[in-house]
Amino acid sequence: AQSVTQPDIHITVSEGASLELRCNYSYGATPYLFWYVQSPGQGLQLLLKYFSGDTLVQGIKGFEAEFKRSQSSFNLRKPSVHWSDAAEYFCAVGNYGGATNKLIFGTGTLLAVQP
Amino acid sequence: KAGVTQTPRYLIKTRGQQVTLSCSPISGHRSVSWYQQTPGQGLQFLFEYFSETQRNKGNFPGRFSGRQFSNSRSEMNVSTLELGDSALYLCASSLSQGYSGANVLTFGAGSRLTVL
Repeated sequence: AQSVTQPDIHITVSEGASLELRCNYSYGATPYLFWYVQSPGQGLQLLLKYFSGDTLVQGIKGFEAEFKRSQSSFNLRKPSVHWSDAAEYFCAVGNYGGATNKLIFGTGTLLAVQP
Repeated sequence: KAGVTQTPRYLIKTRGQQVTLSCSPISGHRSVSWYQQTPGQGLQFLFEYFSETQRNKGNFPGRFSGRQFSNSRSEMNVSTLELGDSALYLCASSLSQGYSGANVLTFGAGSRLTVL
């Protein structure tokens, strides 16, 4: 069965520091992978996606993620964190080649940014 | 272009009541999905509609139902509410079914349901 693991429930970084949020997935074939961000009281905003091709994908707000098939990982990175990045981040996997938009989400990583 | 609109944003119900939540997708989007978000269970898929037909359903009891109208707007209904139904219900829309470079889920801000 498909699953997504985000091992870090809560992460605190200082403003200006680099960030890496971990995501591991379990899927039988090449999945569609996504990172979404959720600010308090809001819905989910898509940061970036991986469908195929270049394994390093760029997203909005200066985020990037790298797909590593050998490690079943899709970690999210940002070189310099801003206070406005404080939010909850969700990794998700979609069904490759299927006629469905269903996503399986990880449990999320709550990011706090210290001044 | 307007995003995904969910109404109401907040509502309070008591156990045993029923509730209907509404979702208006982005103009031109024909697929609507619903998710339940709770602190304990996280984000869980409820159901997915395309062209007025339910295409996929998550592992929820029959008290949870939904429908999609010809204009792609969708509603979900929860009958005989239980305390555990308190959650943020998120609607998402997409152009069609199946992922591609252009077809991704766009989420609304959600409807926050509190059951007392």
